Amino acid sequence: DIVMTQSPLSLPVTPGEPASISCRSSQSLQHGHGYNYLHWYVQKPGQSPQLLIYLGSNRASGVPDRFSGSGSGTDFTLKISRVEAEDVGIYYCMQYSQTPTTFGQGTKVEIK
Amino acid sequence: EVHLVESGGGLVQPGGSLRLSCAASGFTFSSHHMNWVRQAPGKGLEWIAYISISTNVKNYADSVKGRFTISRDNAKNSLYLQMDSLRGEDTAIYYCAREDTSGWYAFDSWGQGALVTVSS
Repeated sequence: DIVMTQSPLSLPVTPGEPASISCRSSQSLQHGHGYNYLHWYVQKPGQSPQLLIYLGSNRASGVPDRFSGSGSGTDFTLKISRVEAEDVGIYYCMQYSQTPTTFGQGTKVEIK
Repeated sequence: EVHLVESGGGLVQPGGSLRLSCAASGFTFSSHHMNWVRQAPGKGLEWIAYISISTNVKNYADSVKGRFTISRDNAKNSLYLQMDSLRGEDTAIYYCAREDTSGWYAFDSWGQGALVTVSS
């Protein structure tokens, strides 16, 4: 199974400041056509997860442009350019390059 | 608007069975592969099962293989998860999740979840 490792696991942030979450996979998630089957989700308090970024760097519908994803192969990053109070929650990376689909442990973003 | 609504959760004794349902609306259910993902209390997300559009492909996590069965009824816009031989470690919120149709292999919509508690 592909192991997904996120860091940090806890991220206190000041509103207006940037934030960055790393996700590393134990195997490359890039396929021959260049796509990286790495997605980011956020689970806000009391809610179900929602898709944030797909294929490593594409914002899902309705996601604010302060969120961006980057990376390829085994190293990926989710960045929030200026954190807002509504961004609190747990952020997960997920790979679908290989079955079984696996998730990172989650990174809890909270406001300082 | 896309809606996925799970039902059928509850309290069950170890060794017992439960069947979860996921009712889909607001989209063409028969065009989407579907999945079940669970989350134990205070823990992260765990993918547990996948079913293809035509039901010819079903995949399971090792943790549930041989005990859980995923199925769907495209005519009823419904997804199911039959859970047998339940264990304490199966206690979790169970989410149904829709796969996109664009080839991203992403879960682009999730239900609100159904809580399953396995305890004597």
